[in-house]
Amino acid sequence: SQQGEEDPQALSIQEGENATMNCSYKTSINNLQWYRQNSGRGLVHLILIRSNEREKHSGRLRVTLDTSKKSSSLLITASRAADTASYFCATGLDNNDMRFGAGTRLTVKP
Amino acid sequence: KAGVTQTPRYLIKTRGQQVTLSCSPISGHRSVSWYQQTPGQGLQFLFEYFSETQRNKGNFPGRFSGRQFSNSRSEMNVSTLELGDSALYLCASSLSGTLAKNIQYFGAGTRLSVL
Repeated sequence: SQQGEEDPQALSIQEGENATMNCSYKTSINNLQWYRQNSGRGLVHLILIRSNEREKHSGRLRVTLDTSKKSSSLLITASRAADTASYFCATGLDNNDMRFGAGTRLTVKP
Repeated sequence: KAGVTQTPRYLIKTRGQQVTLSCSPISGHRSVSWYQQTPGQGLQFLFEYFSETQRNKGNFPGRFSGRQFSNSRSEMNVSTLELGDSALYLCASSLSGTLAKNIQYFGAGTRLSVL
């Protein structure tokens, strides 16, 4: 069963705009990770944020984590057509399980 | 370093058959996890192997099994295939430690179609 729920399910924006995706989860976590998947391919790790961290940056990516609300957000700034992909959050649980959300499908139009 | 390699990339089988998928992790990685991805259920965790032992298991029937060899390569087997087993099967490797705390590196997947 899935742990995380991404919101929105699909997002379409113009190149240069920012894209924000949200992830909510149900149980306590060790960390939360974001992955990207291009159509029909494997997942690529983007960023890991630990449960005691509130914000993390990597290039054009900014991730926030609010453990009190059991939610995280991924912000992609100045998006490019190459950012078109599905984005998944994955939660590392205390029992060593890892659970992925259903994903947000991002389309960036040139 | 070479990435995670999954073979074959595509498979077509018929109901009732069995199938074996292979995964070679990144050199030095000792943990291998398997996932099933379908449009309806999304990404679901199958199992994780570490040092030839199954360390974690998802909620799948016993028809799904796996093993890991001493060189960390892993195989996944599905017996008595059903139409619903059609999916992209993804393998991921990570260095060591606990699955929940490590970054996973994914292969390109094996696309299984059951007719």
